[in-house]
Amino acid sequence: GNSVTQMEGPVTLSEEAFLTINCTYTATGYPSLFWYVQYPGEGLQLLLKATKADDKGSNKGFEATYRKETTSFHLEKGSVQVSDSAVYFCALSDPYTGKLIFGQGTTLQVKP
Amino acid sequence: NAGVMQNPRHLVRRRGQEARLRCSPMKGHSHVYWYRQLPEEGLKFMVYLQKENIIDESGMPKERFSAEFPKEGPSILRIQQVVRGDSAAYFCASSPSGRETQETQYFGPGTRLLVL
Repeated sequence: GNSVTQMEGPVTLSEEAFLTINCTYTATGYPSLFWYVQYPGEGLQLLLKATKADDKGSNKGFEATYRKETTSFHLEKGSVQVSDSAVYFCALSDPYTGKLIFGQGTTLQVKP
Repeated sequence: NAGVMQNPRHLVRRRGQEARLRCSPMKGHSHVYWYRQLPEEGLKFMVYLQKENIIDESGMPKERFSAEFPKEGPSILRIQQVVRGDSAAYFCASSPSGRETQETQYFGPGTRLLVL
């Protein structure tokens, strides 16, 4: 079946540090891949997406590349800010129904 | 352009009562998904609906849970005879019609259910 695995958190970084959150997936067919961000007490916001192999999604300095050969979609940012502190979820969409399958989430804490 | 609306934002119920959660999708969206987030866990798919149809309910518990998306009005997730284990955040997401655009889902703020 389809599944998503993320690196465990929390991840604690200093401001302006480089961020990587690892995400790997198992899927049948050709899913789209997503990163969502959740701030405390709020719903999920789409951060970026990629719909096919070798696509790079990017937004607000974050980026992730759809790697079919390694079944990965790692999230990166060159210089994090305190305001980036949140929970980040990697997800894939079932290509037949569109339902999203999420990883367990990774908490990012950025300290000034 | 209003986003996905959910109400109530917080709901407290005693064991055995019923909980009704409402979701109004974004304007022009006819696909609704419900997800549940248990404490300290990721989101788990529950059900996928289009207007007047349940498309995929593979994530719904077999008993006490039901969902509908009528022709007019919001989608409703109904939990009968709630138990403490139902305490969670319930998120609704919507997407437009059409297979290609179907994949991008926009989430509401969630309803946080607490069962005493």
